[in-house]
Amino acid sequence: DTGVSQDPRHKITKRGQNVTFRCDPISEHNRLYWYRQTLGQGPEFLTYFQNEAQLEKSRLLSDRFSAERPKGSFSTLEIQRTEQGDSAMYLCASSLGAGIYSGNTIYFGEGSWLTVV
Amino acid sequence: GQQVMQIPQYQHVQEGEDFTTYCNSSTTLSNIQWYKQRPGGHPVFLIQLVKSGEVKKQKRLTFQFGEAKKNSSLHITATQTTDVGTYFCAGRDYGQNFVFGPGTRLSVLP
Repeated sequence: DTGVSQDPRHKITKRGQNVTFRCDPISEHNRLYWYRQTLGQGPEFLTYFQNEAQLEKSRLLSDRFSAERPKGSFSTLEIQRTEQGDSAMYLCASSLGAGIYSGNTIYFGEGSWLTVV
Repeated sequence: GQQVMQIPQYQHVQEGEDFTTYCNSSTTLSNIQWYKQRPGGHPVFLIQLVKSGEVKKQKRLTFQFGEAKKNSSLHITATQTTDVGTYFCAGRDYGQNFVFGPGTRLSVLP
């Protein structure tokens, strides 16, 4: 399968624990996005990488959230000291972008469901 | 900041009826994309519109981008049970990121 893959698909954690999600984008894609989606809502932008550089981070993203893409390939999203409000599906997406107006298709992964109890 | 709204929130139709969802942005968009998400699934890209007044068709689906590039619509002709899901528009202003609307959930009764 050459699509966007995410791991783990499901995670249940106790409040206060740290969790980390991994995303492997489509291999030739230079852009990688993290979104969060709760039931009944559209995906909400969290952060975006072009290659290894984190170019934008949502104002909604608290200091407990950190994302990395160290070699410009896979990415990790870590949530520290999880809270019940962090329960959501965390979606990773990738695209191939040639410029600011390229507007290339974004391909989403299956998502990682987080439940904080 | 940029806001994207969609109406209706829910739509129940009888199989064979038409369906339309509308998307409105608070700011002028450089382009807009439409996605479909099946229950329990992830968003799947349908189409991208870039030009003012653009209309694109995919079989029974017709997508339109407004002249002012602030609104868009998706129309499905003669719905089928396979059309069930939530349809999201995602608009991009002249930044790098797409802002998703809240979606329109379509159910089709056989």
